[in-house]
Amino acid sequence: SQQGEEDPQALSIQEGENATMNCSYKTSINNLQWYRQNSGRGLVHLILIRSNEREKHSGRLRVTLDTSKKSSSLLITASRAADTASYFCATDHGSARQLTFGSGTQLTVLP
Amino acid sequence: DGGITQSPKYLFRKEGQNVTLSCEQNLNHDAMYWYRQDPGQGLRLIYYSQIVNDFQKGDIAEGYSVSREKKESFPLTVTSAQKNPTAFYLCASSIFGTRETQYFGPGTRLLVL
Repeated sequence: SQQGEEDPQALSIQEGENATMNCSYKTSINNLQWYRQNSGRGLVHLILIRSNEREKHSGRLRVTLDTSKKSSSLLITASRAADTASYFCATDHGSARQLTFGSGTQLTVLP
Repeated sequence: DGGITQSPKYLFRKEGQNVTLSCEQNLNHDAMYWYRQDPGQGLRLIYYSQIVNDFQKGDIAEGYSVSREKKESFPLTVTSAQKNPTAFYLCASSIFGTRETQYFGPGTRLLVL
């Protein structure tokens, strides 16, 4: 399977701490995207990083991509209770004409 | 407001019944998608369409059908052949290609009576 796998499956932290979640994949990619899903809602796009990029920032979000290790990480700094959600990585493998979503990391930020 | 709307929010299906989930977008996007999400799982692609009057099967198309008669609309029918339809269904769109940023609707939860 080309599916990305997030790690950990669940993460619980205190407000103000940083949260790091990881995504690994098996075959080469054109780009990798991170999405957020609040419980019972649709997904919201957070950031897209292309295979020739190593790091991208957006507000409190920092995404890194290591194509040699076939992995990406999403760092949320100074977390807030409102960051509580599931976070998914989605990979574009080029040969498959679709994004492939992982099973997600459930992040809980405790106030 | 621009965006994607899905209706209904909840849908109940009786055994042997076909049901249709609505998805409309006013973003002027060419590509639209249907995903299925089971509890604690990621998204699996059912069907996608990159242009009006054309659509392609995704990974789990069996028991589902779609149409794309208008750019703005991409309804999904869950047929009686889908034996395990209980899930959360998400519609999405993107400007053109299947690999770019996708914009999601709020979802429809389908339950079987």
